[in-house]
Amino acid sequence: EIVMTQSPAILSASPGDRVTLSCRASQSVSSSLAWYQQKPGQAPRLLIYGASTRATGIPARFSGSGSGTEFTLTISSLQSEDYAVYYCQQYIEGPKTFGQGTKVEIK
Amino acid sequence: EVQLVESGGGLVQPGGSLRLSCAASGFTFAGYWMRWVRQAPGKGLEWVLRINNDGSSTAYADSVKGRFTISRDNAKNTLYLQMNSLRVEDTAVYYCAREFNGYFDSWGQGTLVTVSS
Repeated sequence: EIVMTQSPAILSASPGDRVTLSCRASQSVSSSLAWYQQKPGQAPRLLIYGASTRATGIPARFSGSGSGTEFTLTISSLQSEDYAVYYCQQYIEGPKTFGQGTKVEIK
Repeated sequence: EVQLVESGGGLVQPGGSLRLSCAASGFTFAGYWMRWVRQAPGKGLEWVLRINNDGSSTAYADSVKGRFTISRDNAKNTLYLQMNSLRVEDTAVYYCAREFNGYFDSWGQGTLVTVSS
């Protein structure tokens, strides 16, 4: 089973900040990496798939990069509605494992 | 608009059973693999079951193997999760999700299952 590790666990940032979240896979997942956003009391929402392709309706301030084992999700200018938990997920093989999440909170 | 609406959650005693449903609309349900993903209180996401588009192939996480069963009725556009021999550690919000090319592009709002005496 591929283990996904996200860092940091909690990220404190102010509106307007540029923030970068990291996700590492225990073995190569090529570009088979997705990012999800989850707000309190809501279901996860797909943000990014294929490591860098934004899902339908996702604002351009969200961008993904990386391949192999190292990935990043960048929010170019943090908005109030972006405070949430972000999960990465690999889908190259076997169980579609998730990272443990990064919580983006207000500084 | 794609919609997935779960139902059937509730409070059940350890060892009990529960059946969840997920009603799909806004897309050709029979054309997609589907998943159940759960989230224990304050924890992360864990996929637990998967079913292919015609129901002929399923996959289970080790944590639920032998106790949970996933099925679907394409004529009714509905996904099911039969949960037997429930344990306290099965307490979670259960989401149904549509799988597309391996990732999950649409999610239901979730239904809470609480296993407690």
